[in-house]
Amino acid sequence: EPEVTQTPSHQVTQMGQEVILRCVPISNHLYFYWYRQILGQKVEFLVSFYNNEISEKSEIFDDQFSVERPDGSNFTLKIRSTKLEDSAMYFCASSVTRQATTYEQYFGPGTRLTVT
Amino acid sequence: QKEVEQDPGPLSVPEGAIVSLNCTYSNSAFQYFMWYRQYSRKGPELLMYTYSSGNKEDGRFTAQVDKSSKYISLFIRDSQPSDSATYLCAMSEAAGNKLTFGGGTRVLVKP
Repeated sequence: EPEVTQTPSHQVTQMGQEVILRCVPISNHLYFYWYRQILGQKVEFLVSFYNNEISEKSEIFDDQFSVERPDGSNFTLKIRSTKLEDSAMYFCASSVTRQATTYEQYFGPGTRLTVT
Repeated sequence: QKEVEQDPGPLSVPEGAIVSLNCTYSNSAFQYFMWYRQYSRKGPELLMYTYSSGNKEDGRFTAQVDKSSKYISLFIRDSQPSDSATYLCAMSEAAGNKLTFGGGTRVLVKP
């Protein structure tokens, strides 16, 4: 069964460093998303991406964040200068085929980002 | 008022019992409703998807949506210890739009 994959599973970085989180969405999906979950808190939406551009973003997704689909399979989230409060689980999700009649979102296993 | 509310639990039930979970929401524009299961430090796993009001059954799981009351439910029949997890409700306004999550209900199924 197709699934969303994410790498790395755990990333430790120092404050101020740049990190890139990688995702391979389900191959025939058209919408891609990043969410994050701070330990003990809700899953929060960051950004959605459709047709090679951002379709929606939250207030969390400020100028320190960017997304890219560099090729036909990968979808990346870059944090330019990490802060302690960026420590969280980051989930990639994908959704919707061209023939879709339903609009479920499927999530990857997550990348645990620890900023020290 | 929070946009999506869920009782955090924990909800403890004996093996074989029915687990009853629910969420309330305030945004009447929500049309697409999903239930996810999340094990500790893992990604949300989709269990059920429902569009608009009504019931949907899949194996041991039944999802109900009552848009007039802004209330959704998930029932798990014949619960197993492996069902012990956190259950998240999530909803969106339109196809492809962002999901807004509840805080999750922690469920413990005791053998």
